[in-house]
Amino acid sequence: NAGVTQTPKFRVLKTGQSMTLLCAQDMNHEYMYWYRQDPGMGLRLIHYSVGEGTTAKGEVPDGYNVSRLKKQNFLLGLESAAPSQTSVYFCASSSEGFQQFFGPGTRLTVL
Amino acid sequence: SQKIEQNSEALNIQEGKTATLTCNYTNYSPAYLQWYRQDPGRGPVFLLLIRENEKEKRKERLKVTFDTTLKQSLFHITASQPADSATYLCALDTGGFKTIFGAGTRLFVKA
Repeated sequence: NAGVTQTPKFRVLKTGQSMTLLCAQDMNHEYMYWYRQDPGMGLRLIHYSVGEGTTAKGEVPDGYNVSRLKKQNFLLGLESAAPSQTSVYFCASSSEGFQQFFGPGTRLTVL
Repeated sequence: SQKIEQNSEALNIQEGKTATLTCNYTNYSPAYLQWYRQDPGRGPVFLLLIRENEKEKRKERLKVTFDTTLKQSLFHITASQPADSATYLCALDTGGFKTIFGAGTRLFVKA
């Protein structure tokens, strides 16, 4: 089992560009999450999903959109990237809402 | 809003000693609390979960306590080893399948 995978691992964007981060899990988990991690601030929840076809806003959703068309995939989109979105992004999944399994992260820099 | 505080200063201890990390929270009564380990450049890894009606939980060299009156959890690593060096994150359930994370405490175990 690969667990939770994230694509890409690194990305550099210019302000105003768009991109999509892909998260995939092979554990048949219902719940999936997108977090961002910034120095000294811990993990902050951006959006989450409690099942295929559902999404909900987390703590810091502005500037991001998500989709969960298939149970195993959770996409995070940035429509118009801003320097404030420079961060490390983690995807996670779980079967019951706790004991989350995290991916390796995507390091995004917005210039 | 919910707030989690973990000691932002790194904890340095000698190999073989017990490391004790603190997690304090305010403005919420979580049904459970979790501890994760994060190594540099990697995603967090789940370690332990303790429920509100449990005072203590153990797993090998790890012990977690949960005092809902003090709104505090303590995380202990006994007989610490250099391989235990990492950042340890405390995480609270906030209901609705959402979790909030503390910023973490960095532990260094010296041989």
